[in-house]
Amino acid sequence: KQEVTQIPAALSVPEGENLVLNCSFTDSAIYNLQWFRQDPGKGLTSLLLIQSSQREQTSGRLNASLDKSSGRSTLYIAASQPGDSATYLCAVEIDAGNNRKLIWGLGTSLAVNP
Amino acid sequence: DAGITQSPRHKVTETGTPVTLRCHQTENHRYMYWYRQDPGHGLRLIHYSYGVKDTDKGEVSDGYSVSRSKTEDFLLTLESATSSQTSVYFCAISPSGGTDTQYFGPGTRLTVL
Repeated sequence: KQEVTQIPAALSVPEGENLVLNCSFTDSAIYNLQWFRQDPGKGLTSLLLIQSSQREQTSGRLNASLDKSSGRSTLYIAASQPGDSATYLCAVEIDAGNNRKLIWGLGTSLAVNP
Repeated sequence: DAGITQSPRHKVTETGTPVTLRCHQTENHRYMYWYRQDPGHGLRLIHYSYGVKDTDKGEVSDGYSVSRSKTEDFLLTLESATSSQTSVYFCAISPSGGTDTQYFGPGTRLTVL
């Protein structure tokens, strides 16, 4: 059974710091891995999607890597800003019979302090 | 932002009453999903739809039913609400069932007393 774990559960850093969020999964049979952001009281916003054949994806100050063989992904945030404060969720897409489904981690709650 | 709205945004109801949540999209995406989010459980899929009148169960479908009579609307019904169904419910849409990401609505906070 696929399980997704995110460490740490919470993180507090000063503004300007570079930081890494971790995501691990137990089964390497995935189609892709996705990182989302969730602001309090709001829905989720897709940040990056890495296909299983890819090693990394970049968007602005965000860089996500994928090591399928070891079951790990990292989300690197450069030069963090208070506006980056949110919960970051990782999800892997797996086969579900006649369809696919996402398996979600519990998220890392990030606070960037001015 | 993808055009997804959910209604109502907040609802308080009593045990045993029926409740219907609505998800409306303006993107003409084929796939629509209903999730619930609870502390300690992360997001869990309730039901999904891969076309008009085409729906299937997710991992926590007991006590829930769905209907999709139009591309743009996906309804989630709790036939007889229970306190265990107190949760935040999210609707999501996707152009396809795989390779594309999902776009989420703002959520509905449901409290069952």
